[in-house]
Amino acid sequence: DQQVKQNSPSLSVQEGRISILNCDYTNSMFDYFLWYKKYPAEGPTFLISISSIKDKNEDGRFTVFLNKSAKHLSLHIVPSQPGDSAVYFCAATLLYSGGGADGLTFGKGTHLIIQP
Amino acid sequence: NAGVTQTPKFRVLKTGQSMTLLCAQDMNHEYMYWYRQDPGMGLRLIHYSVGEGTTAKGEVPDGYNVSRLKKQNFLLGLESAAPSQTSVYFCASIHLRGPEAFFGQGTRLTVV
Repeated sequence: DQQVKQNSPSLSVQEGRISILNCDYTNSMFDYFLWYKKYPAEGPTFLISISSIKDKNEDGRFTVFLNKSAKHLSLHIVPSQPGDSAVYFCAATLLYSGGGADGLTFGKGTHLIIQP
Repeated sequence: NAGVTQTPKFRVLKTGQSMTLLCAQDMNHEYMYWYRQDPGMGLRLIHYSVGEGTTAKGEVPDGYNVSRLKKQNFLLGLESAAPSQTSVYFCASIHLRGPEAFFGQGTRLTVV
């Protein structure tokens, strides 16, 4: 049973527009969520995170929104730039319940393509 | 600061051969992980370690063994490689306070 779901394998967005990547989770015990970015032939790199006690976190062009009641989070990138073209993974963990050592549970990823 | 380093970067094995992937981190992190990435499957946890001398099974542990004899190293072994183990393997580490994971650059393994 997949606990973290990214239902869009790919997303194409025009440069300068907003990119919205979505993620759903089924385990209500998850209390910390992260987004990772991955370029081909490289390891994933941390992008932004959010705790379950918040509903929004911003870092420059990147904003993550969390809707706990819907078990849904989204990553907004504004404005989208060519360098944003990559695979984005949503991840979740049980940080505050002491289960963080079990690692991160990842979604399957969304390939974002920024078109000029 | 090297972060997380994986050795080797590429490898081709014949079915039945064995090999060991090495992961080294210089951040003094307690927790270390081995993931595999397959097309359309995302990152799946193979094994992990919460400290020197301890290991535990993840989501897809069959066919793999691990060891954490030193805090900075986490080894992933394939005793008898199978084509189904063709994948890209990523090592990651997390500080005790967590939860951000730092990843290595990956090892692309092909079993023929």
